[in-house]
Amino acid sequence: AQTVTQSQPEMSVQEAETVTLSCTYDTSENNYYLFWYKQPPSRQMILVIRQEAYKQQNATENRFSVNFQKAAKSFSLKISDSQLGDTAMYFCAFMKPNTGANSKLTFGKGITLSVRP
Amino acid sequence: DAGVTQSPTHLIKTRGQQVTLRCSPKSGHDTVSWYQQALGQGPQFIFQYYEEEERQRGNFPDRFSGHQFPNYSSELNVNALLLGDSALYLCASSSRTGEQYFGPGTRLTVT
Repeated sequence: AQTVTQSQPEMSVQEAETVTLSCTYDTSENNYYLFWYKQPPSRQMILVIRQEAYKQQNATENRFSVNFQKAAKSFSLKISDSQLGDTAMYFCAFMKPNTGANSKLTFGKGITLSVRP
Repeated sequence: DAGVTQSPTHLIKTRGQQVTLRCSPKSGHDTVSWYQQALGQGPQFIFQYYEEEERQRGNFPDRFSGHQFPNYSSELNVNALLLGDSALYLCASSSRTGEQYFGPGTRLTVT
């Protein structure tokens, strides 16, 4: 079974600064997907970024980028130029590809990020 | 594109009652997954429906059941409600690309 660990329960960052959120996972699979989801107080879970394990290049989406270290089973999210709207809970998630239908997501416990004005 | 929709938004039930939650997937998606999110925790996978069949199931009792309709919409049913069933219930839809898009959730309170 796969597990996802987010050991930092809370983080705070000054507006316009950079912050890195950590995530580690455990799996015996070689091919899989990793995601970061954002859940603002409005509770809508929003996909931030996705990484395929077979790709060595780290994924980037505007101000969001990841540092994917497959051997270390580490998947951190870097948010550059933090904005007040980035305040939310952030979840790291793992998915093993499944034949036929898509597979389930396994989530970490999440980290609460607060951006200070 | 309406995205994933869920109804109702909030629900209050009494212990022992039964509840039905509904989900309409994003246009073009044929797979629906349900998750339970306790307060301050990450979502836990309940089950997934594809082609009107339950394809995968998480570690949830048989009190949790579901259904998928020909139009890909889905229902989650919970029988004999317990206080511990109080949570945010999230529906996610996906296509073959694998990315799951979530609805706004249904907040269930069991008293």
